[in-house]
Amino acid sequence: DGGITQSPKYLFRKEGQNVTLSCEQNLNHDAMYWYRQDPGQGLRLIYYSQIVNDFQKGDIAEGYSVSREKKESFPLTVTSAQKNPTAFYLCASSPPGLDQETQYFGPGTRLLVL
Amino acid sequence: EDQVTQSPEALRLQEGESSSLNCSYTVSGLRGLFWYRQDPGKGPEFLFTLYSAGEEKEKERLKATLTKKESFLHITAPKPEDSATYLCAAPVPQGAQKLVFGQGTRLTINP
Repeated sequence: DGGITQSPKYLFRKEGQNVTLSCEQNLNHDAMYWYRQDPGQGLRLIYYSQIVNDFQKGDIAEGYSVSREKKESFPLTVTSAQKNPTAFYLCASSPPGLDQETQYFGPGTRLLVL
Repeated sequence: EDQVTQSPEALRLQEGESSSLNCSYTVSGLRGLFWYRQDPGKGPEFLFTLYSAGEEKEKERLKATLTKKESFLHITAPKPEDSATYLCAAPVPQGAQKLVFGQGTRLTINP
């Protein structure tokens, strides 16, 4: 079955700690995205990548970092510089071609601060 | 500024009571309007893409329509399992495959 997987489902971060959220897709999609969702707010774009070894900042990139070494994988690191990391994090991907702007989402990772 | 605004924020209906959700946008040169369904604690599930004014798409009890300024998601004779948050989104004009999302409408269908 093709799809997008995110792990872990829940993640706990201590003060001053960096944590990494995993996102993997086996849909052969070129573009991948990371969003943050807070209660009562829409999705806000953190980073996106249209091809391997290339990525761009979204609207709220401060305190986050990403890498795109493989087409299938787009991990997000929440650094200690992100002072309010508690949120629901969503990874998405989109196919090449005419449907390239349709984004398909993973199940999400909820990050909580201890 | 490119914006997508959804109304109402929350809507409670009785089972079988039809209604509509609104998504208005100020994105210039619209290249599509997307609707998603999101259940609590889960990722959004893609429902529809609309590309031009006058276009309609249907899926079970849901029908999405598009005008030049807004989109509606009509729900006919809803059931409790239709309860979810419905999100709409539009691509930003810069052509970077980025979407701007509305805040969502939280729909509750009471049995």
